Amino acid sequence: NAGVMQNPRHLVRRRGQEARLRCSPMKGHSHVYWYRQLPEEGLKFMVYLQKENIIDESGMPKERFSAEFPKEGPSILRIQQVVRGDSAAYFCASSPSWGGADTQYFGPGTRLTVL
Amino acid sequence: AQTVTQSQPEMSVQEAETVTLSCTYDTSESDYYLFWYKQPPSRQMILVIRQEAYKQQNATENRFSVNFQKAAKSFSLKISDSQLGDAAMYFCAYRNSGGSNYKLTFGKGTLLTVNP
Repeated sequence: NAGVMQNPRHLVRRRGQEARLRCSPMKGHSHVYWYRQLPEEGLKFMVYLQKENIIDESGMPKERFSAEFPKEGPSILRIQQVVRGDSAAYFCASSPSWGGADTQYFGPGTRLTVL
Repeated sequence: AQTVTQSQPEMSVQEAETVTLSCTYDTSESDYYLFWYKQPPSRQMILVIRQEAYKQQNATENRFSVNFQKAAKSFSLKISDSQLGDAAMYFCAYRNSGGSNYKLTFGKGTLLTVNP
């Protein structure tokens, strides 16, 4: 059973460009979470999605950031007009349900560098 | 809001020795989950161990065990017979149980070095 897949692993963008980060959850998992890790920091929650629904985006910046999890295909975290402060590692996690007993399994992360 | 504190930015241990990493948390909830994740240089987040707050028995996974003190809101990780492959950043994380409180709250991490 393949784990959580994220691509690309490394992404370099110039200021003002768009970044698209993809996440394919583990087989049988229908819940996806995105976290951001700034240098020397722990992971911070950004957004929680189920298929075709955003459940909680309270941790996501109000501007330039958006996320989706379509009926078919991976979840996408989109950052428009990137700035240097967006440079970070972005992790996706998945779980089979929203129940509190379910553990979140993480992907390898995407390291975004903004030049 | 819940907070997680890891007071040891760095720790070191000799190979085959035992080391304990500290974690404290703050919550007003009575039912929740606690986790330790390991992040090696590859940056992959790997689940090490988890503890349900309603269980009095401390969780154990092979060489990894926890000391869960609910009243003190403390959740330390003990690594026995340390191996070179244990070298990594270790994160303590908290999650509420039930409802819609599913997000993980992480501490800032402890960097563990294992000396041969």
